[in-house]
Amino acid sequence: QSALTQPPSASGSPGQSVTISCTGSSSDVGGYNYVSWYQQHPGKAPKVMIYEVSKRPSGVPDRFSGSKSANTASLTVSGLQAEDEADYYCSSYAGSNKWVFGGGTKLTVL
Amino acid sequence: QVQLVQSGAEVKTPGASVIISCKASGYTFTGSSMQWVRQAPGQGLEWMGRIDPNSGGANYAQNFQGRVTMTWDTSITTAYMELSRLTSDDSAVYYCARNLRYAFDYWGQGTLVTVSS
Repeated sequence: QSALTQPPSASGSPGQSVTISCTGSSSDVGGYNYVSWYQQHPGKAPKVMIYEVSKRPSGVPDRFSGSKSANTASLTVSGLQAEDEADYYCSSYAGSNKWVFGGGTKLTVL
Repeated sequence: QVQLVQSGAEVKTPGASVIISCKASGYTFTGSSMQWVRQAPGQGLEWMGRIDPNSGGANYAQNFQGRVTMTWDTSITTAYMELSRLTSDDSAVYYCARNLRYAFDYWGQGTLVTVSS
């Protein structure tokens, strides 16, 4: 299993929107609608922000949205706020009870 | 409420093994698989494997095949992850996480493992 590909960094000003991509293959991202996204602040455990490509768990602001096209999934954060500054990781089911993560994207709020 | 509480930090010498526990509460233990994820210092998340407490089946990432064993004890709703033949590259924070709908919805607080001679 190869890690999913994410840009190492992304940035935006407060109030702006930013989109983070996550590219895999037909064996993971493209093959299943089981992409999830995680937010991780320094020293903290990850927190799920999106599951099943575009669903938000209870309590996650609707500023966070997810989508997928072919082998690439995307996380969009709209109306950026200072507290959104964190590392973001995508993950995908890869079949046979196996999962794979992306390398992570550091989101900076300018 | 769902809680996953992991065992404390460990310091190991190269070649040793480590066992980390993950005590689950607040949900039906056999209703979800337990995943294990690690994060080396300054690095990203790495999926290690999962165990299904209901069936007893375990699946491991290729990188850890032959070195990792995941088990559980339903009577005390605790999952375990043992990693053997440790090297300095295994120094990391290890997390357990509950799997629900193919995502990791609750995470333990993490266990720091330091491998040093």
